[in-house]
Amino acid sequence: EAQVTQNPRYLITVTGKKLTVTCSQNMNHEYMSWYRQDPGLGLRQIYYSMNVEVTDKGDVPEGYKVSRKEKRNFPLILESPSPNQTSLYFCASRRGQMNTEAFFGQGTRLTVV
Amino acid sequence: TQLLEQSPQFLSIQEGENLTVYCNSSSVFSSLQWYRQEPGEGPVLLVTVVTGGEVKKLKRLTFQFGDARKDSSLHITAAQPGDTGLYLCARSGGSNYKLTFGKGTLLTVNP
Repeated sequence: EAQVTQNPRYLITVTGKKLTVTCSQNMNHEYMSWYRQDPGLGLRQIYYSMNVEVTDKGDVPEGYKVSRKEKRNFPLILESPSPNQTSLYFCASRRGQMNTEAFFGQGTRLTVV
Repeated sequence: TQLLEQSPQFLSIQEGENLTVYCNSSSVFSSLQWYRQEPGEGPVLLVTVVTGGEVKKLKRLTFQFGDARKDSSLHITAAQPGDTGLYLCARSGGSNYKLTFGKGTLLTVNP
């Protein structure tokens, strides 16, 4: 089954404690991205990757890091989380062509206290 | 950033009613996608429209792409509670294949 898998689904952490949200896809997609979804602000892109070892900033990259060492995995790293990073996070993948379908993970609800 | 404006922001209707939601921009789209997001889940693609004036149907859902490719609409006939969700439009553009989303229309269909 084609899918994007994120872990964990829910996470409560404290300010400053480094965390990683994992994302894996089994569709051999070139393009992967991370979004955060906040009430009234919609889905905003954090980082994206067009292929292995190729990553770039999206619209709201501050406070986040990513890596793309393998095609299937695209982890999101928060080196020093802050309360304003409390949000619902989605990983997505799609083929590296125009008009292709984006497949989303089930989301990670992060709370930073 | 080329914004996508979706309206209405919220819509609550009774089962069996018809409804239309809109997605507009001041810029021309090369293509537009509609996604539906159910509570607790990620968005799922409903349709992609690429040609000005194009109309696509998916059971009770009808999608239209404006002639000038600056707007799109989604019409649902005889809405059912299972249609409840957040409807998002998204445009793809630029060399990085980025998808930019509107803020969505939150639809609630009451039994």
